[in-house]
Amino acid sequence: GESVGLHLPTLSVQEGDNSIINCAYSNSASDYFIWYKQESGKGPQFIIDIRSNMDKRQGQRVTVLLNKTVKHLSLQIAATQPGDSAVYFCAEPPGADNQGGKLIFGQGTELSVKP
Amino acid sequence: DTGVSQDPRHKITKRGQNVTFRCDPISEHNRLYWYRQTLGQGPEFLTYFQNEAQLEKSRLLSDRFSAERPKGSFSTLEIQRTEQGDSAMYLCASSPRMMAYEQYFGPGTRLTVT
Repeated sequence: GESVGLHLPTLSVQEGDNSIINCAYSNSASDYFIWYKQESGKGPQFIIDIRSNMDKRQGQRVTVLLNKTVKHLSLQIAATQPGDSAVYFCAEPPGADNQGGKLIFGQGTELSVKP
Repeated sequence: DTGVSQDPRHKITKRGQNVTFRCDPISEHNRLYWYRQTLGQGPEFLTYFQNEAQLEKSRLLSDRFSAERPKGSFSTLEIQRTEQGDSAMYLCASSPRMMAYEQYFGPGTRLTVT
């Protein structure tokens, strides 16, 4: 079955450095991926998404890379700031033809930014 | 504030009691979702509504759980005969009609069953 998982449960970076958060998936038919950020005491917040017909998508200070060959995606945060400290989840719909909006979330990576 | 709101934010109850949570989605969003999140884990899908119709329920949603969205606006999630294993954060999210996966989450209701 499909699954979404993360390589590293925690990541600590110095303020100003770049952060890379990784995610692996197992369903080769997956065609859409989303990154969410969850700060302590809050619900997840949509950051950026990417479709499988793309290898890279950029947002404000964030870039998502998709490698379909090895079923891996990553979230890169440029010039990491203390406000980026949070748990980051990758998520995907359970099937290529799913239209309902159900999402499967990975375990999450906790990003800690040191001042 | 025009975001998703949930009430209460925290609920402590004794095992066996019934609890009900409320979610108010973003007003123009027609889809509403319930997820459950335990410590250190990602949210797990429970159920979702399109307008007032409940279109999908997870196997996680046992017979003790029921969700409603009677007028296609706010939703309630009720847990009957709570068990300690029900302790979790219950998250509600909503999404606009044409962007089902761009989900906006509320702050959640943290349930503790003693």
